Amino acid sequence: GAVVSQHPSRVICKSGTSVKIECRSLDFQATTMFWYRQFPKQSLMLMATSNEGSKATYEQGVEKDKFLINHASLTLSTLTVTSAHPEDSSFYICSARGGADWNNEQFFGPGTRLTVL
Amino acid sequence: EDQVTQSPEALRLQEGESSSLNCSYTVSGLRGLFWYRQDPGKGPEFLFTLYSAGEEKEKERLKATLTKKESFLHITAPKPEDSATYLCAAYGGATNKLIFGTGTLLAVQP
Repeated sequence: GAVVSQHPSRVICKSGTSVKIECRSLDFQATTMFWYRQFPKQSLMLMATSNEGSKATYEQGVEKDKFLINHASLTLSTLTVTSAHPEDSSFYICSARGGADWNNEQFFGPGTRLTVL
Repeated sequence: EDQVTQSPEALRLQEGESSSLNCSYTVSGLRGLFWYRQDPGKGPEFLFTLYSAGEEKEKERLKATLTKKESFLHITAPKPEDSATYLCAAYGGATNKLIFGTGTLLAVQP
């Protein structure tokens, strides 16, 4: 299957700093990318959906000014957690889909573990 | 509200002991039911997509089935390497997004 990478895999930062997480589709062009967060023993919660070249669509309750998403190319999306606080500590997972059709498979990245001190 | 519920939360099996995982869903206009495997500290890995009630799909020791209200992931003669969290997710026509269950943590002991 297709490969999606995330960088970094793990990051620890101080409260108040900003952190950028990259998500890349390595062998296909991702029309749509998704960002999820997962708390321990909980399900994946969709944060936002982004299409290349357009603004991301955020889920209800997700602050768009805090979680900045940029999908500048067909192979790269970034999530920036601005002014991070301990409650933002979580496992962030991106996924990428090669086509606009919902039926196209979503390939998930390996995740990024964010710890805010 | 669209919802996906998985049971049990955790399951411990002996190697070779077959069992089933349950995924119940209340999703309007279900278009697809997905199963994923997730290893600790990693992203989900795609297993199956089921589109309509009565459909079945198999892959090695796993078989997924779908009814109008739930899906089952049957594991036949599991091995320790099958230990993982198994997630199901439903894609509904109303929400146009994947709604995940909380998963079943499977541990297969040798």
